[in-house]
Order: sequence, then C-alpha cells, then structure tokens
Amino acid sequence: EAAVTQSPRNKVAVTGGKVTLSCNQTNNHNNMYWYRQDTGHGLRLIHYSYGAGSTEKGDIPDGYKASRPSQENFSLILELATPSQTSVYFCASGTGDSGNTLYFGEGSRLIVV
Amino acid sequence: GDQVKQSPSALSLQEGTNSALRCNFSIATTTVQWFLQNPRGSLMNLFYLVPGTKENGRLKSTFNSKESYSTLHIRDAQLEDSGTYFCAADGNNNAPRFGAGTKLTVKP
Repeated sequence: EAAVTQSPRNKVAVTGGKVTLSCNQTNNHNNMYWYRQDTGHGLRLIHYSYGAGSTEKGDIPDGYKASRPSQENFSLILELATPSQTSVYFCASGTGDSGNTLYFGEGSRLIVV
Repeated sequence: GDQVKQSPSALSLQEGTNSALRCNFSIATTTVQWFLQNPRGSLMNLFYLVPGTKENGRLKSTFNSKESYSTLHIRDAQLEDSGTYFCAADGNNNAPRFGAGTKLTVKP
C-alpha cells in the first residue's frame, strides 16, 4: 500500500515565524508535490520535485521554499509565515514515468495568527 | 484554477440516480486523473487516464484529448459517493494541475 505521511497534522504559527512542513513517502516514487487547498480554489501547486536534490516551482511558489534531501523526504518551508498562508497543505508522491498516479498524505492544517 | 475548469461546482443527487461531472482543459493535457475527497479530507485516486475510457464498478471516466475535456459518470449513486470530486490535468512535465472541484451530495 502506497504511504505518504505528513507532519505536523495541525499547527498554529505566529506571523513572521518559520514553519516547516514535512513529508515522507515509502513508495520509492521519484516525484513529490506540495499543494495547498483553499475553498473555491481546489488544490494549487506550490513546489514539486523529480528526485533527490531537485526542486521546481509550481504555480504559487512565492513565500515558500522546498527541500528534497532524499528520495523519501520533501519539505515545504515558510521562512516568514503570513496569515495569507493559512490553509490545508497536501503532499503527494508519483512514480514520474507513464502512469504518474498521485498518492496523497492526509494533509497538514496550518493557521497563521 | 482557470487551467482546469470543473462543472458543476455542486450537485445533489437522489440515491440510485445517475450523473456526470465534467472537466475542460485550457492547458496541453496528456493524462487526466480523477480524485474523490471524502468528508474527512482524505484524497483517493479514482482513475488515471490517457485518451480513452476506463470503468470501475459504478464509475466510468472518459478523456477526450482532441476536444480537451474529461467526464466522470456515476451510475446508481450511493450515499458513500458523497464528497468532492477533483480532476487533475498533466502535460509533459508530470506536474498535475487541479480543478476547483465538484461537491456531490447523495440524498436517501
């Protein structure tokens, strides 16, 4: 069974603080993704990666950094959190070859006050 | 976002009836995925499609790449089909973009 684990599942952060959302996958998939979900917008792509050491900008990368230190781990970093980054964040993995089915984690709910 | 438009945005069905959800794409799309997000927020993959049709139980999905759309047909809707359905379009860079979703409510 494909497994993508996110942590923390819930976090309250202060404006201007640093937040790191972590994602671990045991699928040995090449690709990993970070999306945010807000009412009315569906899931919007923030950053993604094709493998260890690689990060790519998605559609809304401003205010976010990403890090892929290994095949298994992909982090999303908010250096200076703002209230507009209050959202639910989803991590996903995919094989990257033909048949890039996405497998999602359970989501991380972030509130920035 | 605007790259992938889903319709309708919300839908209410009586148990046992049929319906269809649609996605239109304004980006070059080689593959399409459909997901169901349950009321607890978990996302489950329903279909991964190249141009053509797939069927799984009461669900059937078609991807027409020439006309840039995909449909998801639900037959004999059940209460457990309730949730939000998302489609995602992928070009050649393996970075799927999602639509805004269709919230489906199945009533007894």
